[in-house]
Amino acid sequence: QKEVEQDPGPLSVPEGAIVSLNCTYSNSAFQYFMWYRQYSRKGPELLMYTYSSGNKEDGRFTAQVDKSSKYISLFIRDSQPSDSATYLCAMSLSGGSYIPTFGRGTSLIVHP
Amino acid sequence: DVKVTQSSRYLVKRTGEKVFLECVQDMDHENMFWYRQDPGLGLRLIYFSYDVKMKEKGDIPEGYSVSREKKERFSLILESASTNQTSMYLCASSLGDGTYGYTFGSGTRLTVV
Repeated sequence: QKEVEQDPGPLSVPEGAIVSLNCTYSNSAFQYFMWYRQYSRKGPELLMYTYSSGNKEDGRFTAQVDKSSKYISLFIRDSQPSDSATYLCAMSLSGGSYIPTFGRGTSLIVHP
Repeated sequence: DVKVTQSSRYLVKRTGEKVFLECVQDMDHENMFWYRQDPGLGLRLIYFSYDVKMKEKGDIPEGYSVSREKKERFSLILESASTNQTSMYLCASSLGDGTYGYTFGSGTRLTVV
């Protein structure tokens, strides 16, 4: 079992839809959870960062962590064609470990 | 904003050549990393460094070496390029314990022919 599982997609949705992107993980010691967005032929950029459980909202984006289920989600409201990208989840341990474990990414296509 | 700059966007090299990929960050980050990214395999860590002149092997160090002579610069070296090293190479940096995430460069698409 991989430490972090992420469906590669592609996930294709119409403009304006609510998008749900998800990752599951096996290591219950993960404490820091991140979502990166990667446009084609570019490096990933940090989109959302969450510590421990709960929700975090930033504009149209909401990150959710459910540690009891070892499941994290990224919701995108009112999706736009400019949201078309690959979304990678990442998570790391507490206590000074600085090497995150990445999911393989989900490709999202938002069509007009 | 932190900026991580990779010297080349696209490179084409011949098998057996020695290849240098350069990465510079401008925000005094302690940690620097080299990944390669391949379709279906995701990001794989090659080497990382948490201080000047320090280096640690990642998951796939074979065929690569690194150099960190200055805090802001981290170089990846392919000693003798091979076709299976054709890939997207990504440099990243982070603060201290890295818990605030990475800043990535734009990547270098290397093709070895």
